[in-house]
Amino acid sequence: GDSVTQMEGPVTLSEEAFLTINCTYTATGYPSLFWYVQYPGEGLQLLLKATKADDKGSNKGFEATYRKETTSFHLEKGSVQVSDSAVYFCALRGMNYGQNFVFGPGTRLSVLP
Amino acid sequence: EAQVTQNPRYLITVTGKKLTVTCSQNMNHEYMSWYRQDPGLGLRQIYYSMNVEVTDKGDVPEGYKVSRKEKRNFPLILESPSPNQTSLYFCASSFAGGRAGEKLFFGSGTQLSVL
Repeated sequence: GDSVTQMEGPVTLSEEAFLTINCTYTATGYPSLFWYVQYPGEGLQLLLKATKADDKGSNKGFEATYRKETTSFHLEKGSVQVSDSAVYFCALRGMNYGQNFVFGPGTRLSVLP
Repeated sequence: EAQVTQNPRYLITVTGKKLTVTCSQNMNHEYMSWYRQDPGLGLRQIYYSMNVEVTDKGDVPEGYKVSRKEKRNFPLILESPSPNQTSLYFCASSFAGGRAGEKLFFGSGTQLSVL
């Protein structure tokens, strides 16, 4: 079945550092790919998404590119802020009607001032 | 405003006392799902539903029941709660798929403690 693998956390960075959180997936066809973010004490919210190969999703300075050849969707940000401290989840959903969402285990990011 | 509403936000109960956590969405979504989140274990799916009267088990269905009698509501029922069901619970909804990029909307969560 479909699956998502994320790098193990927690990740601790200093403010203004470069961030990469790796995400790879296993799925048939061309699933839609998502990054969700969960800030402390809140529910998950969509950060960005991509729906086909070579698409780049971007939001709030974060970017991720849908790489079909490497089945990856790595999350990047050039300069993190303390306010980016959160848990980040990579997820996918197959293209066909009635597909379930599949989530990775989440990566906790802490940004220090 | 498009939203998924869960109630209650916090719940403390005792072992064996039946409880229901409600979930409602106002987006006419076919797909609804329940997750539990525990430290170090990520997000685990309990049950999901693709439409009214259609429900399926997720990864950790034991000890839980759901029903989908109406499109907007998807309650989670714990018939006899136990301490290992102490967790943070999220309800989520989406369209059933078939269109690229349909996203999942999450509720604010229910923190359940079973004593």
